[in-house]
Amino acid sequence: GENVEQHPSTLSVQEGDSAVIKCTYSDSASNYFPWYKQELGKRPQLIIDIRSNVGEKKDQRIAVTLNKTAKHFSLHITETQPEDSAVYFCAATSRVGGGADGLTFGKGTHLIIQP
Amino acid sequence: DGGITQSPKYLFRKEGQNVTLSCEQNLNHDAMYWYRQDPGQGLRLIYYSQIVNDFQKGDIAEGYSVSREKKESFPLTVTSAQKNPTAFYLCASRLGPTYEQYFGPGTRLTVT
Repeated sequence: GENVEQHPSTLSVQEGDSAVIKCTYSDSASNYFPWYKQELGKRPQLIIDIRSNVGEKKDQRIAVTLNKTAKHFSLHITETQPEDSAVYFCAATSRVGGGADGLTFGKGTHLIIQP
Repeated sequence: DGGITQSPKYLFRKEGQNVTLSCEQNLNHDAMYWYRQDPGQGLRLIYYSQIVNDFQKGDIAEGYSVSREKKESFPLTVTSAQKNPTAFYLCASRLGPTYEQYFGPGTRLTVT
């Protein structure tokens, strides 16, 4: 099955600086890569996603890049703000039970924005 | 918020008891999923259902059971066979090929 590795596990940056979180995946058939943000005790919420026919996608301060050849994708947050502090998860589609498009998640990155 | 609801928010049980977690969605989504979240482990898929009356095991299905009698509902039963049931349980749903998964607010289960 799919395996998703996420780094780093903790990232501390100064407010206003950029943050980059990286993920690798193992299944070359994976074709959908979402990023979720989870605040303490709350549900994960989708912040951006990318499909395998696109190399980069941007939404205001957030961007995601995908390198299919190397099987890795990254989340970039520019001009970080205190409200960006949270745990971020990457994910990739996986063929669960030989049929469906269940998501396999990375273990998460705790992003800390220092004032 | 809204769309997918889970109840209760906190649940306490004694070891050896079965417990059922509720998940309801009014988004008209066909696919529904159950994940388990442990500290530092991300989210792991327990069971999923693509359509009413059909469901499949995920990566960590042992000790769990589900049913999908209605499109809106996908309850998860944590049985006494689950060795380490204490965790945060998240239900999710998805509308067809758009792939985005929406999560419920979660149920934190503590078994002592």
